[in-house]
Amino acid sequence: DGGITQSPKYLFRKEGQNVTLSCEQNLNHDAMYWYRQDPGQGLRLIYYSQIVNDFQKGDIAEGYSVSREKKESFPLTVTSAQKNPTAFYLCASSPGLGYGYTFGSGTRLTVV
Amino acid sequence: DAKTTQPPSMDCAEGRAANLPCNHSTISGNEYVYWYRQIHSQGPQYIIHGLKNNETNEMASLIITEDRKSSTLILPHATLRDTAVYYCIVRVGKLTGGGNKLTFGTGTQLKVEL
Repeated sequence: DGGITQSPKYLFRKEGQNVTLSCEQNLNHDAMYWYRQDPGQGLRLIYYSQIVNDFQKGDIAEGYSVSREKKESFPLTVTSAQKNPTAFYLCASSPGLGYGYTFGSGTRLTVV
Repeated sequence: DAKTTQPPSMDCAEGRAANLPCNHSTISGNEYVYWYRQIHSQGPQYIIHGLKNNETNEMASLIITEDRKSSTLILPHATLRDTAVYYCIVRVGKLTGGGNKLTFGTGTQLKVEL
């Protein structure tokens, strides 16, 4: 079955460590996105990519980095520069303009 | 970017129709209205989208006013499993770049009760 997979579901890290969240899709979608969600809040866009080897900053890119070396994969690195990294992270993909998103099940990151 | 306004919460009796309103008075002519829902601690799920005409699928119906300044998502026979946060989103899209980014607000918490 086609879908989008995020791993791990729960992640704990010590303050000051970088951590990479995985996002893989087998939907053959061109576009991929990373969102962050805090308790009781909506989703905020971190980064997005419309095509392999290209990506753009979203609304809250500071302290995050991404890569898009393969169409299927769009990993997100939360760096030590991110002041408040504890959150629920959601990855999504879409075929392109005018189409809806398919979301992964999310990764809940807790920094202690 | 067109912004949307939704009530923070609504209640609905199981088996009844749930009508979720959304205002988007600054919507542009080429912007679509999307609806998603998010069950607690899961990724959002696409429901439906439309431009001008009313739309219906197996999950819901979308009614867009003639002036496109507001819309209503209708769940015809709500069940307990429809309890979720419902997001009304206007697509920020550019044909030459910028993609079809979707901006999520805080949505409407729909609670379906017996």
